[in-house]
Amino acid sequence: GESVGLHLPTLSVQEGDNSIINCAYSNSASDYFIWYKQESGKGPQFIIDIRSNMDKRQGQRVTVLLNKTVKHLSLQIAATQPGDSAVYFCAERVAGTALIFGKGTTLSVSS
Amino acid sequence: DAGITQSPRYKITETGRQVTLMCHQTWSHSYMFWYRQDLGHGLRLIYYSAAADITDKGEVPDGYVVSRSKTENFPLTLESATRSQTSVYFCASDSGNEQFFGPGTRLTVL
Repeated sequence: GESVGLHLPTLSVQEGDNSIINCAYSNSASDYFIWYKQESGKGPQFIIDIRSNMDKRQGQRVTVLLNKTVKHLSLQIAATQPGDSAVYFCAERVAGTALIFGKGTTLSVSS
Repeated sequence: DAGITQSPRYKITETGRQVTLMCHQTWSHSYMFWYRQDLGHGLRLIYYSAAADITDKGEVPDGYVVSRSKTENFPLTLESATRSQTSVYFCASDSGNEQFFGPGTRLTVL
C-alpha cells in the first residue's frame, strides 16, 4: 500500500545549526511532494514543494531534496531558529489532489 | 477576511450524540478536505470534495457524513459520536498548487 513516513519522530538542534528532516515514501507513482510545518495549536502550513521531475528546490532558508532512486525526501533548514520549532510533515500527492501525510517529525531548537 | 475557518474550535460531547463541525473558505476553491489528527497517526483523510455536490471517501470515513451544497462550505457530521472519534479535525481547501488548512477543531467525546 501507499505510505509516507519519516525516519525520526524527534530532532533536537542548537540555534544556528542546520537541520535535516527525512522522509521515505513508497509510491513510485507519486509526482508531487510537499513539506508542511505545524506549530502547536495550529493547522499545517505549507513550506515548500517539489515535483518528481526535479531533484532539488530551494526556498528561503529551506531546501527540499528528492531522491527518486531510493524514494527519499528531505527538508533542510539552514541556520535553524527557535521559531522553527514545530512538527514537520511530508506529504505526497496521489489520486488527484488527495494528500497522504507522514507521521511527522518534532523539531526542537534550543538557544 | 479571506481564508479558511472552522467552528467550533473546541467541542465536548457525549457518546451517541450527533455533532457537526463547520468549515468555510472564501477563495472558491473547488477541492475541500477533512482530516483527523491523532498521536501516532499523523493526518488521515476522512472525506474530500471535488466540487459542490461531489464528495468521496478518504482513508477513514466510517462514522462520518459530509455534504457540500455550496462551494464555500464543507460540514462534517458525526452521526453518533464515539470515544474513538476524539481527535483534532482539520479542514483544508486546495488552490491547485497548495493546500490551505484551517485552525482545527478539538473534539472530545466523553
